[in-house]
Formats: sequence, structure tokens, C-alpha cells
Amino acid sequence: QVQLQESGPRLVKPSETLSLTCTVSHGSISSYYWSWVRQPPGKGLEWIGYVYYSGSTNYNPSLKSRVTISLDTSKNQFSLKLSSVTAADTAVYYCATFWSLLNTFDIWGQGTMVTVSS
Amino acid sequence: QSALTQPASVSGSPGQSITISCTGTSSDVGAYNYVSWYQHHPGKAPKLMIYYVSNRPSGVSHRFSGSKSGNTASLTISGLQAEDEADYFCTSYTSSSAPSFGGGTKLTVL
Repeated sequence: QVQLQESGPRLVKPSETLSLTCTVSHGSISSYYWSWVRQPPGKGLEWIGYVYYSGSTNYNPSLKSRVTISLDTSKNQFSLKLSSVTAADTAVYYCATFWSLLNTFDIWGQGTMVTVSS
Repeated sequence: QSALTQPASVSGSPGQSITISCTGTSSDVGAYNYVSWYQHHPGKAPKLMIYYVSNRPSGVSHRFSGSKSGNTASLTISGLQAEDEADYFCTSYTSSSAPSFGGGTKLTVL
């Protein structure tokens, strides 16, 4: 079964760009939708967006101006870039597959905590 | 504040049944059957337990079941086991095409 693992810096300075990578194992990235979800401390989960294997994307309107999700098929990875971060972007970030036919996130990574602080 | 409302915590003894609710609106839970439930043991990857209101993925125990009435979806766990102790959260498709999440419910097995 497909497995996902997030990686990237755990600490990002305010106003900089948060960059995370999700490595896909036991499956090909050349199918499905690939998504990012986050959970700030003490708060609920928030969908960030997804990228389709074709490269098309869909983002949460509240984050759209700052988010880029892209694929690297040569490395079987997809990535998240969130620009101009503030303390409000401190969260556990999860990557997940999105089963578009049934609008459900079927496989998740363990998540990685990213703190925005100077 | 999450878009979908769940109780912060529920508890039950081994062998008992518990139900976790997920209340939305006529723009999400009430409008679509795209309601899913996830089990999350802290520090591990969330696991899909129910999709499309009441469907179980392969490998998920029959002790887990889902239902929906109006704007509220429910997850029922029967025959509680110690290993069921975890956080549970729901998601729903919405009229804005962006999925929304519940705030999560901590299940304690007494």
C-alpha cells in the first residue's frame, strides 16, 4: 500500500517561505490527487490544497494567494510551499492522498510539526 | 473553530458501544453523502475508517459503522476495545468544494 512521509525544516522565520516535501513509497505519483492538510496546536484540521498527477491544482481560498503545491515525478514526491508565513501558520502539516471520486483522504503521512518563530 | 462540530471527548468501557456525532449544515453534511471518519493515534498517520457516510475500507473492523441524519453524521464503535482509544475526526465535502473538518473527539476506553 502507498505510504507517505513528510520532510522539511521544522522551524521557519516569519515572512519567509515554508517548504515541505512528501515522499511517496510503494506506489506511483503518476495517479491520484495529492493533498496537504494542517492542524494548528489546539485547533481543528484545515485543508490546504491538492495537486492532480496531471499537474492541475486546487487550493483552499483562504490560503490560495500564498500556496503552491507541485509534483516531482522523477523523485516520486510532491511539495508544499507557503509564503509570507506568520505564527498563525504554526501547525502539524500532513500530506495525504485524496480519493476524488468519494471526496475522502484515504492515506495519510504521520505529519510534521512546523513552527514559525524568529 | 472547526466547521464541523464534534464532542471534545467520549468514553466507554470495554465491550460497550459509543457514538460520536459530527454536526454540520445544509451546505456540507446535510447536502452530501461525502462524509468520512478517521482514527488518529497521536504521532501516527490518521487512518480512514468510514467513507461515503457508512462504507468501510478493506481491513477496517465491522465494529465501526457510520450513519447520517439531516445535518449530523455519526460514527458508532461497538464492542469497544482498548486499541480503539484514539482521536476521531470527521470530514465532509462542502458546497464551496473545499472539504471541511471536525474538531476531533478524544475517545477514552475506561
